[in-house]
Amino acid sequence: TQLLEQSPQFLSIQEGENLTVYCNSSSVFSSLQWYRQEPGEGPVLLVTVVTGGEVKKLKRLTFQFGDARKDSSLHITAAQPGDTGLYLCAGAVNYGQNFVFGPGTRLSVLP
Amino acid sequence: DTGVSQDPRHKITKRGQNVTFRCDPISEHNRLYWYRQTLGQGPEFLTYFQNEAQLEKSRLLSDRFSAERPKGSFSTLEIQRTEQGDSAMYLCASSLPLAGGGMGTDTQYFGPGTRLTVL
Repeated sequence: TQLLEQSPQFLSIQEGENLTVYCNSSSVFSSLQWYRQEPGEGPVLLVTVVTGGEVKKLKRLTFQFGDARKDSSLHITAAQPGDTGLYLCAGAVNYGQNFVFGPGTRLSVLP
Repeated sequence: DTGVSQDPRHKITKRGQNVTFRCDPISEHNRLYWYRQTLGQGPEFLTYFQNEAQLEKSRLLSDRFSAERPKGSFSTLEIQRTEQGDSAMYLCASSLPLAGGGMGTDTQYFGPGTRLTVL
């Protein structure tokens, strides 16, 4: 059983469309991070959220941490082919513990 | 390029052989992490060091796995008597943590990984 679930597992959309991917858990996280990973490379950190209800924006990407700090979402506006990759969420149950990664959402944006 | 580097990038070995991977972190980073990632999954935490001290080990790190960071700079991960189930991408990351912060507040910079195939 995954501590972190991500949905959808795969997503293929056309350039210009909007999308939302989700990260869910039954555990409360003190912080949660989103990463993007491209084939043959390590993950690259996009954002860290720590406060329930927090919303952070990074250009066309909007990240939200659930009020109860058990879930998070990533919304991409006007997706571009350069957004293609594996989007991973990772959470820490408390600041001193290991990070747990979800299985990821594999996004493909077609030109 | 001053990012995290890993060597080799690819390793093919036969079952039962020993393998060793190297990670060179970003020079001023005192935390170093090892993860394993299998196809279709996110990275799984294996272990981490603060300077030369190994502070945390996952139960995934069986007695065939050992990691060292002897001088608090580069690190090695050795797998003895490899099994086919060890085939995976082994990722290294480093960070310069906030004062008093745990992993949850770290910005981890990942290397490109070493892809291990055990035949």
